[in-house]
Amino acid sequence: KAGVTQTPRYLIKTRGQQVTLSCSPISGHRSVSWYQQTPGQGLQFLFEYFSETQRNKGNFPGRFSGRQFSNSRSEMNVSTLELGDSALYLCASSLQGEVTGELFFGEGSRLTVL
Amino acid sequence: AQRVTQPEKLLSVFKGAPVELKCNYSYSGSPELFWYVQYSRQRLQLLLRHISRESIKGFTADLNKGETSFHLKKPFAQEEDSAMYYCALRVTNAGKSTFGDGTTLTVKP
Repeated sequence: KAGVTQTPRYLIKTRGQQVTLSCSPISGHRSVSWYQQTPGQGLQFLFEYFSETQRNKGNFPGRFSGRQFSNSRSEMNVSTLELGDSALYLCASSLQGEVTGELFFGEGSRLTVL
Repeated sequence: AQRVTQPEKLLSVFKGAPVELKCNYSYSGSPELFWYVQYSRQRLQLLLRHISRESIKGFTADLNKGETSFHLKKPFAQEEDSAMYYCALRVTNAGKSTFGDGTTLTVKP
């Protein structure tokens, strides 16, 4: 079956703009998580959605938001972009109820803020 | 709150040498521990999980609850093992996984 798909793969924005990233999970997966990956900070948890509800949230400012649709697809939005938001944003899906809790990652959306 | 620490950002060994990537965690309950790997130009993927107690690509990891560690080991490193390795902790049945900062392993010929 198809893996986790993220769009767009690359994008360049300027400070102050806003951006929306999209994630399509593996078919049947209802949990979607978002992570920010940077060389200095590793993987930082942003939030996790399950059945259209945000269940967990990381320590990011309110400029970072997300949502999940009824088909489990998810979007995250970053408003008023700052230079420090430049990063690879990873989406991961998992099969809720599975004991092992494995995450399946997408290839990421690389955001550059100028 | 849970926390995962990988003390080495960079680790370099020669081909055929043993390798150990360290991972320590802090969590008061019973966690699920994972190792994920990211090869060059590939997506992050699961390498192994403590609950399976299996060996993948020659790697093993044992959960030591007394020392709160989950070190990844391989007796004979190969060049194709060069990658970024992340240790992760997940609270059972919770949606959040906490990752360490990662260790970049380089296996030299």
